[in-house]
Amino acid sequence: EAQVTQNPRYLITVTGKKLTVTCSQNMNHEYMSWYRQDPGLGLRQIYYSMNVEVTDKGDVPEGYKVSRKEKRNFPLILESPSPNQTSLYFCASSLRQTNQPQHFGDGTRLSIL
Amino acid sequence: AQTVTQSQPEMSVQEAETVTLSCTYDTSENNYYLFWYKQPPSRQMILVIRQEAYKQQNATENRFSVNFQKAAKSFSLKISDSQLGDTAMYFCAFTPGGGADGLTFGKGTHLIIQP
Repeated sequence: EAQVTQNPRYLITVTGKKLTVTCSQNMNHEYMSWYRQDPGLGLRQIYYSMNVEVTDKGDVPEGYKVSRKEKRNFPLILESPSPNQTSLYFCASSLRQTNQPQHFGDGTRLSIL
Repeated sequence: AQTVTQSQPEMSVQEAETVTLSCTYDTSENNYYLFWYKQPPSRQMILVIRQEAYKQQNATENRFSVNFQKAAKSFSLKISDSQLGDTAMYFCAFTPGGGADGLTFGKGTHLIIQP
């Protein structure tokens, strides 16, 4: 089954404790990205990757890192999480470009205390 | 920079009625793509419909159709014969035709279908 898998689905942690949210897709997609969703703000792009070893900042990259060592994986790293990063996070992928339908993961609810 | 505006934070209609969700956008691009995504209480993001700006014909998918007015920069979603399962957040989204930029989303409209 074609899918984008995010882990964990839920996480409660404390300020400053490094965490990684994993994202994996099995569709051989080149384009992958991360979004955060906050009430009243819709979804905003954090980082994206056009292909292996190619990443770039989206609209709200501060406080986040990503890597794309393999085509299927695109982890989101919070080196020193802060409460303002409490949010719902989505990973998405598409074949090549964002004008093609995006496949979204099921979301990760992060709470930073 | 592009902006997407959804002016209706919440709407409520009776089952079987037709409802229209509004979306306007601002861009200087000539080639771009527009989308409507549905987010039910399960939080999944589900693509409802996609429109290419250079195509004048409005996209349709079963009970879902759009009214795309390029000159007015308007992209409304019409849901016919609404069903209880249509209850969800609906997001309008924009991306330029070049394809590297991500999706720019509106703030969403919470649609409630009443039995």
